[in-house]
Parts: sequence; structure tokens; C-alpha cells
Amino acid sequence: AQTVTQSQPEMSVQEAETVTLSCTYDTSENNYYLFWYKQPPSRQMILVIRQEAYKQQNATENRFSVNFQKAAKSFSLKISDSQLGDTAMYFCAFMNPISTSGTYKYIFGTGTRLKVLA
Amino acid sequence: SAVISQKPSRDICQRGTSLTIQCQVDSQVTMMFWYRQQPGQSLTLIATANQGSEATYESGFVIDKFPISRPNLTFSTLTVSNLSPEDSSIYLCSVGGRTYGANVLTFGAGSRLTVL
Repeated sequence: AQTVTQSQPEMSVQEAETVTLSCTYDTSENNYYLFWYKQPPSRQMILVIRQEAYKQQNATENRFSVNFQKAAKSFSLKISDSQLGDTAMYFCAFMNPISTSGTYKYIFGTGTRLKVLA
Repeated sequence: SAVISQKPSRDICQRGTSLTIQCQVDSQVTMMFWYRQQPGQSLTLIATANQGSEATYESGFVIDKFPISRPNLTFSTLTVSNLSPEDSSIYLCSVGGRTYGANVLTFGAGSRLTVL
């Protein structure tokens, strides 16, 4: 069974600094996707960034980038130039398509609570 | 991406009663998902709701406790029955959308349930 592990329950970073959130996963699948979702205090879950397992190039979205190490099954999120609005719970997620049924399933990590300090 | 309206946003219920949560999507979607997020914890999938068929429940969740309706491609309800304090959680509705080949989830704002 797939598992997703986030070993940092809480982190803090000074505004404008860079922070890296860790995520490891375990799977025997070769075709899968990895995501980081953000849940601000307002509760609305928002997609931050995604990575296809077949792509070697690390995904980037503005100030957000990932370090995807497929062999090590590691998928960390780097937030550059941290802003107060980045304060949120961050969830790492694994998704694999289930080809036999056309469905898919997400597995979420336990989350990292990030606080950006002014 | 789809826009999801979920209500109620929060409710306080008495033990033994039931609460029905509604999820309305602004576009037609095949699959809708219901998650539970217990205080300070991650998201756990309760069930997948497909239009026109019975919902598929995950291990540990049963239809009698969490009946789901999916009358059309834009709407679903989750009922949490015979409430106990252990049911106090945030319940999230989500739908998947294809974005560059990946099924990306879009979430509603969640319904915070407190059972007394």
C-alpha cells in the first residue's frame, strides 16, 4: 500500500526567507503523480504544485519549486521569498491512476504547519 | 477548475442526530469525493460518489453511517448518521479535473461538525 510521510509537524520561517518542507512516499507503482496542497486557516484546500513521476525535471510555480528524487522516493517543497500569506497547513499527496477502472486515488500526508513570521 | 459550494460551513449537533452536508459544483463532473479531516490530522477518504451508481466506500466507512446521494453530475450529499462526539471533524467535498494529464482535486471549503 502507498504511504506518504511528512516528518515535520510544524515549521516557521522569517518573511522573505526560504523554507523547505519534506515529504517521502512509498509505492511500487511506476505511474503516479505527486502534489503539494495548501490549507490556509480559512480551510480551503488549494493546489500549490504537481509533479509527474515520469518527468525528471522538477516542477516550479513562481516562488514554489520541488525537489523530486524518484529513486529516493522524496518530494520536498521549497518556498522562496516567503510571504505572510504562505502561512498554512501544507499537505503532500500521492495519486496513482487505477487503469482497470479509470479511477484514481489520493493518499495524503499528515501535513506540515508552516508559520511565516513578520 | 471547478467551483464547489459546500454547506453548511459549520454546525453543532446533538448526539444521536444526523447531519446532511451538501456539495454543489458549477460544472458536470463524473467523480466526487468525500473526505474527513479530524482535528489536527490529515484527510481520509470516506467514499467516492459516481452519478448513477452506489458510492464506493473506503475501509472503515459504511453506508449506514455515511449514506451518500449523487442524483446528478453537479450535486452530492453526505449524511453523517447517529452522531457521536467522535464524528466531530471537518468534512470536505472534492472533485477531480484533468490538468495536463493529472487528476487534480478541487475542494469545497469544508463543513466543520461539532457533536455535543
